[in-house]
Amino acid sequence: EAGVTQFPSHSVIEKGQTVTLRCDPISGHDNLYWYRRVMGKEIKFLLHFVKESKQDESGMPNNRFLAERTGGTYSTLKVQPAELEDSGVYFCASSQDSYGWYTQYFGPGTRLTVL
Amino acid sequence: AQSVTQPDIHITVSEGASLELRCNYSYGATPYLFWYVQSPGQGLQLLLKYFSGDTLVQGIKGFEAEFKRSQSSFNLRKPSVHWSDAAEYFCAVGPGGSGGYNKLIFGAGTRLAVHP
Repeated sequence: EAGVTQFPSHSVIEKGQTVTLRCDPISGHDNLYWYRRVMGKEIKFLLHFVKESKQDESGMPNNRFLAERTGGTYSTLKVQPAELEDSGVYFCASSQDSYGWYTQYFGPGTRLTVL
Repeated sequence: AQSVTQPDIHITVSEGASLELRCNYSYGATPYLFWYVQSPGQGLQLLLKYFSGDTLVQGIKGFEAEFKRSQSSFNLRKPSVHWSDAAEYFCAVGPGGSGGYNKLIFGAGTRLAVHP
């Protein structure tokens, strides 16, 4: 069974540009989460999808970040325009069931560098 | 405020030595507790989790953790470390019970180096 995949693995962009990160969850997992780790600090929650609906987006830092999950499969996280403080590693995770506290399986992350 | 503290940023141990990684949490309700490990180039892998019941939890790769409610701690242990255990370890908490709000709160991580 394939794990959570993320693309790209690395992205280097200039301040003011747009970047789109993609996450493919494990097949059949309705729950998809985005997290971010900035500058070696804590990994912080960004948002949670249940299928195509946003269940919780309380961690999204500002309106420059837009997450979508059309059709309830893969998800994209767009940063527009990117700022220096957006640099970090963006993790995606998926799980089978919200209410059963099934394990969140994480992808390898996308390392974003904004110059 | 909900938080997780991992007091040790870096730890170095010799191969074959025992290991204990510390984790303290601040959480208003009964938490669910997790330890994840990230090896270079890999995603976060779940080592073990505690939901309820026996406070000593066994995980993969020979790791165990003990939940101590009175100390708000969930320390990770391994009796004999292998060179392949060199990685970064993260403690995390989540809301206990049902409700569908499954966001995890992570500590800052402990990077483990293993000397041969």
